[in-house]
Amino acid sequence: GAVVSQHPSWVICKSGTSVKIECRSLDFQATTMFWYRQFPKQSLMLMATSNEGSKATYEQGVEKDKFLINHASLTLSTLTVTSAHPEDSSFYICSARGGTPENGEQFFGPGTRLTVL
Amino acid sequence: SQKIEQNSEALNIQEGKTATLTCNYTNYSPAYLQWYRQDPGRGPVFLLLIRENEKEKRKERLKVTFDTTLKQSLFHITASQPADSATYLCALGGDYKLSFGAGTTVTVRA
Repeated sequence: GAVVSQHPSWVICKSGTSVKIECRSLDFQATTMFWYRQFPKQSLMLMATSNEGSKATYEQGVEKDKFLINHASLTLSTLTVTSAHPEDSSFYICSARGGTPENGEQFFGPGTRLTVL
Repeated sequence: SQKIEQNSEALNIQEGKTATLTCNYTNYSPAYLQWYRQDPGRGPVFLLLIRENEKEKRKERLKVTFDTTLKQSLFHITASQPADSATYLCALGGDYKLSFGAGTTVTVRA
């Protein structure tokens, strides 16, 4: 159980275009989803936290108008990178947790590799 | 400033030996600490969680210790196998967020 999927697994786009990444919890209801970004050989950096039905909370330094997050249902959150530029190229990973998990465990998706040309 | 440091970027060991990874932190008061495994191009996979009032946790060949005085966690893989080769991340938790270290890449030689 506790499977999280992401789509697409990789995407290449031209500079200036927008890209949408989906994150789905397949077998549980995720009240909270998280979006991370990871550069090569670096740690996962939390970008934002989203709760179903409410606005996302962004970490300091993350532009909310550039990285649009929607958590419309208990099983789906989307991240849209608007007007993407080469410096946005990275590995984007989502995670999800249920209502009140006993151990604070987050279940991670497989990640999406974004390359902006 | 808050900092999470994992002892070394890479660790190479012989199959059958014990791998010991270190996670040190400063300016944090985590309610719990977690260890994850990450394979190249994949998302992290949860391994173990240890709470601030626990000293040690075990799961099969894995053992984690947590010393809140030293602000350090040790992660041990005993009887290591080539399949254990991966990057291991420690993460500090409090409320609903996790803060990750950069990871230690373990390579187990047959």
